[in-house]
Amino acid sequence: GNSVTQMEGPVTLSEEAFLTINCTYTATGYPSLFWYVQYPGEGLQLLLKATKADDKGSNKGFEATYRKETTSFHLEKGSVQVSDSAVYFCALSPYNFNKFYFGSGTKLNVKP
Amino acid sequence: DTGVSQDPRHKITKRGQNVTFRCDPISEHNRLYWYRQTLGQGPEFLTYFQNEAQLEKSRLLSDRFSAERPKGSFSTLEIQRTEQGDSAMYLCASSSPGRNSYEQYFGPGTRLTVT
Repeated sequence: GNSVTQMEGPVTLSEEAFLTINCTYTATGYPSLFWYVQYPGEGLQLLLKATKADDKGSNKGFEATYRKETTSFHLEKGSVQVSDSAVYFCALSPYNFNKFYFGSGTKLNVKP
Repeated sequence: DTGVSQDPRHKITKRGQNVTFRCDPISEHNRLYWYRQTLGQGPEFLTYFQNEAQLEKSRLLSDRFSAERPKGSFSTLEIQRTEQGDSAMYLCASSSPGRNSYEQYFGPGTRLTVT
């Protein structure tokens, strides 16, 4: 079957610290992988994507690399800001974007 | 482009009652998705429409749930004989045809409380 597992939160970091949020997946076939972000009081929005193995998605200083050999798509940022405080969701779509599977979310708190 | 809208934003109902939610996607988006999200969890896929055709439906969706998108524009999600376990946030998302069809735009959700 298809599923996504994320590290549990909350993750609390100081401003300018390095961020890693782990995500691993189980999928049939060759899924596309995504990170979505939900800022306080807002709806989910796409942060970045990767559609095939070894692709690197990037946006707003965040990066994630599609690792087929380890079935992982870890989110990283070199220097977090207070404004990055949000809940981050890893997701996959097995084919044609007809269906999406989301992880349980990881809350990030960044302190000044 | 006003984004995805959902109505109502909050609904409180008694167990056993029927409820209906509406989703208005972004106007040129032909793909529409419904999700359910409970506290501390990620969105759980319920169903997917491409235009007016319902192409995917989660096996987790019981027969009490039904969704329609009659003219390929707005969509409704109905829950019959509500149960306390149906209490959740119901999210709608839409995406455009073509190369960017992977990018879902989410609405604000309808929070359902079943008492």
